[in-house]
Amino acid sequence: GQQLNQSPQSMFIQEGEDVSMNCTSSSIFNTWLWYKQDPGEGPVLLIALYKAGELTSNGRLTAQFGITRKDSFLNISASIPSDVGIYFCAGPRAGTALIFGKGTTLSVSS
Amino acid sequence: KAGVTQTPRYLIKTRGQQVTLSCSPISGHRSVSWYQQTPGQGLQFLFEYFSETQRNKGNFPGRFSGRQFSNSRSEMNVSTLELGDSALYLCASSLKPPADTNYGYTFGSGTRLTVV
Repeated sequence: GQQLNQSPQSMFIQEGEDVSMNCTSSSIFNTWLWYKQDPGEGPVLLIALYKAGELTSNGRLTAQFGITRKDSFLNISASIPSDVGIYFCAGPRAGTALIFGKGTTLSVSS
Repeated sequence: KAGVTQTPRYLIKTRGQQVTLSCSPISGHRSVSWYQQTPGQGLQFLFEYFSETQRNKGNFPGRFSGRQFSNSRSEMNVSTLELGDSALYLCASSLKPPADTNYGYTFGSGTRLTVV
């Protein structure tokens, strides 16, 4: 079935470092979404992208909708301990609500 | 305003039993969708309801069913539980119908189901 390939699977970084993660698909998406999930909680929407080439920021987070419409990138600048969690990319597919990537687990050491 | 409320938060059931999970969407939200989250498969779509009608359904066996009530609250039921049904079940609500959401889904904290 449809898959979103998310990488890296996990990251271990020092507080203050910048982080990059990406999501790719073999098929085109018209919307890309980035979620963060904290332990014991549901995913929370961070950024939504609706147009190819779009670059959108939310505080220290910046996401881009790839020109090919088959990929998206999320960057976190100057990471802090509360950035710890699992980051998911997601996109809508006909017949479903959302398809999710497997997630990138971020660990930040202070 | 209150978020998406899922009850119970934790549940332990025995193989072969059935279970019902509940989701109360944000007030005014009429679209409710359900997802299963496991370490191996990640987040997988189960079904979506809008105005008491199932609009979309994921690739899960018929043991998984759901419904939505006139007040937009939703329940999902799993019959004849299997060990592999152990997962975090997440509910998400949205103000707009599935075709027009702009994907503004708000997720609840989930129900952690353990089948023993």
